[in-house]
Amino acid sequence: DQQVKQNSPSLSVQEGRISILNCDYTNSMFDYFLWYKKYPAEGPTFLISISSIKDKNEDGRFTVFLNKSAKHLSLHIVPSQPGDSAVYFCAASVGNYGQNFVFGPGTRLSVLP
Amino acid sequence: DAGVIQSPRHEVTEMGQEVTLRCKPISGHNSLFWYRQTMMRGLELLIYFNNNVPIDDSGMPEDRFSAKMPNASFSTLKIQPSEPRDSAVYFCASRPTGGASQYFGAGTRLSVL
Repeated sequence: DQQVKQNSPSLSVQEGRISILNCDYTNSMFDYFLWYKKYPAEGPTFLISISSIKDKNEDGRFTVFLNKSAKHLSLHIVPSQPGDSAVYFCAASVGNYGQNFVFGPGTRLSVLP
Repeated sequence: DAGVIQSPRHEVTEMGQEVTLRCKPISGHNSLFWYRQTMMRGLELLIYFNNNVPIDDSGMPEDRFSAKMPNASFSTLKIQPSEPRDSAVYFCASRPTGGASQYFGAGTRLSVL
């Protein structure tokens, strides 16, 4: 059973608009969440993280929102740029030094010029 | 720093052959992770090491898989004998002491015919 779910396999957004990528988790013990971005033929790269003591974390064009009661988090990219086109993975762990990251299946974002 | 270095980038082998994947973590990082990515199961953690010691290998699919970390700058993942269902992209990642995010290599694409 998947503990971290990304129910949208793909998403297309127009350049300049907002991209919203969603992630749901089932394990209530998870208290640290990360988003990774992956380009073809490259490894995933860390994008942004959030601890369960917060409900929002912002870094430039990227904002992650956490709704603990709903076990849901989302990544907002504003404004979206063609270079943002990639696969985005949501990951969760117990403790921010938790060794066992559980990754979601990923969402492929396409930003159209 | 050159980042996490994996070799080879691509490996094509025949069923029954031994396959060895290699990883050089970022210097100074004390944790190393091996992941497998497939279409069906996404990104799965196979095993991780802390200070060269295997901590959790519960993700290793079966006895055909083995991993070693003889020193802080080198790790191998071996599959013997290989099977077609082992075809996947294998990622290595490392993490510094006290850090939360992991730094991934570019991966090894394995095809077992």
